[in-house]
Amino acid sequence: QVQLVQSGAEVKKPGASVKVSCKASGYTFTSYDINWVRQATGQGLEWMGWVNPNSGNTGYAQNFQGRVTMSRNTSISTAYMQLSSLRSEDTAVYFCARGFRRIVGATPIYYFDSWGQGTLVTVSS
Amino acid sequence: SYVLTQPPSVSVAPGQTARITCGGNNIGSKSVHWYQQKPGQAPVLVVFDDSDRPSGIPERFSGSNSGNTATLTISRVEVGDEADYYCQLWDSSSDHPEFGGGTKLTVL
Repeated sequence: QVQLVQSGAEVKKPGASVKVSCKASGYTFTSYDINWVRQATGQGLEWMGWVNPNSGNTGYAQNFQGRVTMSRNTSISTAYMQLSSLRSEDTAVYFCARGFRRIVGATPIYYFDSWGQGTLVTVSS
Repeated sequence: SYVLTQPPSVSVAPGQTARITCGGNNIGSKSVHWYQQKPGQAPVLVVFDDSDRPSGIPERFSGSNSGNTATLTISRVEVGDEADYYCQLWDSSSDHPEFGGGTKLTVL
């Protein structure tokens, strides 16, 4: 079965960087995007961006442009999300999620069919 | 970017039907997906492509989408259905996924 297993909780100081990993199993890693979605305490889901494990191409939400880097290592079926210049507002649970994509006519259809367990990143001085 | 509007909360008694809406401009022309998130857990896909269910999701969960409103319907609601529910679609204008703000379903 599809599984996404994320790295453990992190505590960082403001201005530092954090790198979270997401190890995939149960499917062909290069066949599906890996997305990153974050959720601050008591808040909704915020899409951050994706990495295409096959090509390495990435796409980022405008809110995170310049601060986030998504990458992958196909040899170990693992995707990474690095967020830099951390501030207290970045304290959140970060999820990886597999993206299912297809095109119907001119309409892109894209949803998240499997999720990692989440990684709590706490930014505090 | 495309705005998806959900009511913050919906309450329903056990055994009744819950309807959670997701509003957006001409949303009926888009494909909408729904996620259930229980406290401390990752979201789970419960409906995709407006009305399809992934394997393992009970038939009590159904979806519809027309005009400016998509709806997740949960029939014969159980206490275990209490959770936050999020709608999501692909925003063609920004070329990325978009989530609604989420709805907390309370089972009285």
